[in-house]
Amino acid sequence: DAKTTQPNSMESNEEEPVHLPCNHSTISGTDYIHWYRQLPSQGPEYVIHGLTSNVNNRMASLAIAEDRKSSTLILHRATLRDAAVYYCILRHQTGANNLFFGTGTRLTVIP
Amino acid sequence: GAGVSQSPRYKVAKRGQDVALRCDPISGHVSLFWYQQALGQGPEFLTYFQNEAQLDKSGLPSDRFFAERPEGSVSTLKIQRTQQEDSAVYLCASSSTGPALYFGPGTRLTVT
Repeated sequence: DAKTTQPNSMESNEEEPVHLPCNHSTISGTDYIHWYRQLPSQGPEYVIHGLTSNVNNRMASLAIAEDRKSSTLILHRATLRDAAVYYCILRHQTGANNLFFGTGTRLTVIP
Repeated sequence: GAGVSQSPRYKVAKRGQDVALRCDPISGHVSLFWYQQALGQGPEFLTYFQNEAQLDKSGLPSDRFFAERPEGSVSTLKIQRTQQEDSAVYLCASSSTGPALYFGPGTRLTVT
């Protein structure tokens, strides 16, 4: 699986938008971009995924660069409950079903 | 509905003891995964089942680690002769045909 690069940590003020970047310059044409987050003392939780087009769901938005070498997870209004480690993962369309996590970005939300 | 459950939530074992960790996936989920998460690190893949078949065990760190899912539902991860480096959180996840893996809360294993 292709590798992703994320900042180790980020901070955001409560009720402000958060943009979490992810670089994946070696992405292949059939790699999907998945995001998971892990709250303290919990298992990872699926957030969103996409292939080429931007995606929105109730939790977040995913903006994918035109060349697909980077993407950004957008939390429109950060709350204290969004404080977590966010993982950007590439999952091959026809590959194994397992996910390969990196070390992710630890998001701190400041009240 | 009920999510993925794991038991026990916490396990303390003396070095050399055998341990068994249980995972109850979401009902009807065909795929089941085990991950190991060391402190401060992301989860690392251990093994994958589709129904009762173990299709990928490439992540198991040694032959002391063994996983089974005999009836295609509940799974058990067994670690024999535990070592201190086995201390970690063991996560189980299940999935059906959709894109998401659903993770349990994990079992924190501490080997003393």
